Amino acid sequence: DAKTTQPPSMDCAEGRAANLPCNHSTISGNEYVYWYRQIHSQGPQYIIHGLKNNETNEMASLIITEDRKSSTLILPHATLRDTAVYYCIVRVAEDNNDMRFGAGTRLTVKP
Amino acid sequence: EAQVTQNPRYLITVTGKKLTVTCSQNMNHEYMSWYRQDPGLGLRQIYYSMNVEVTDKGDVPEGYKVSRKEKRNFPLILESPSPNQTSLYFCASSSWTSGRTYEQYFGPGTRLTVT
Repeated sequence: DAKTTQPPSMDCAEGRAANLPCNHSTISGNEYVYWYRQIHSQGPQYIIHGLKNNETNEMASLIITEDRKSSTLILPHATLRDTAVYYCIVRVAEDNNDMRFGAGTRLTVKP
Repeated sequence: EAQVTQNPRYLITVTGKKLTVTCSQNMNHEYMSWYRQDPGLGLRQIYYSMNVEVTDKGDVPEGYKVSRKEKRNFPLILESPSPNQTSLYFCASSSWTSGRTYEQYFGPGTRLTVT
């Protein structure tokens, strides 16, 4: 799996958009970009994934650059409940093995 | 409600006393997996299962056993727990469609302390 690089921490004001970057410069053509988050010590929660195109669901938007070497997860209107560690992971969908969770970005949403 | 359940949620035990952590999912998922999470080390996979009676080792399988006799259940067995197995454990499941997995659904976690 390609290695990802994320900032260790970020702050965001409540109600504003949170933009979480992820670099994955060695991503392969068949590797997807996944985002998960973990609130305190709860089980990680799937947010979104994408291959090439930008994706949006009820939780967030995923913007992948044209060269696929980086991506941004956007939480359009962050709330205090979005405070969590956010993990960016790249892997092939056919991979039997684990999601390799790195250190992630600790997002703190402030009132 | 679609979910992955784990029991117990908290367990304190002593070295050498066999224990089982249960995991069950109600989504008819083929793929199930166990992870442990330790400070500074992130989540590491212990074992995974592609389907009933099919299991394989992850990154840190030593000291653990698993079984997959039914599709919905994937228990984690510690035959002789040791203090270095003190950790937060997560079970996860995923649909395996056309040879691909996408999102994984995680259980709430089991905090195990071995003294």
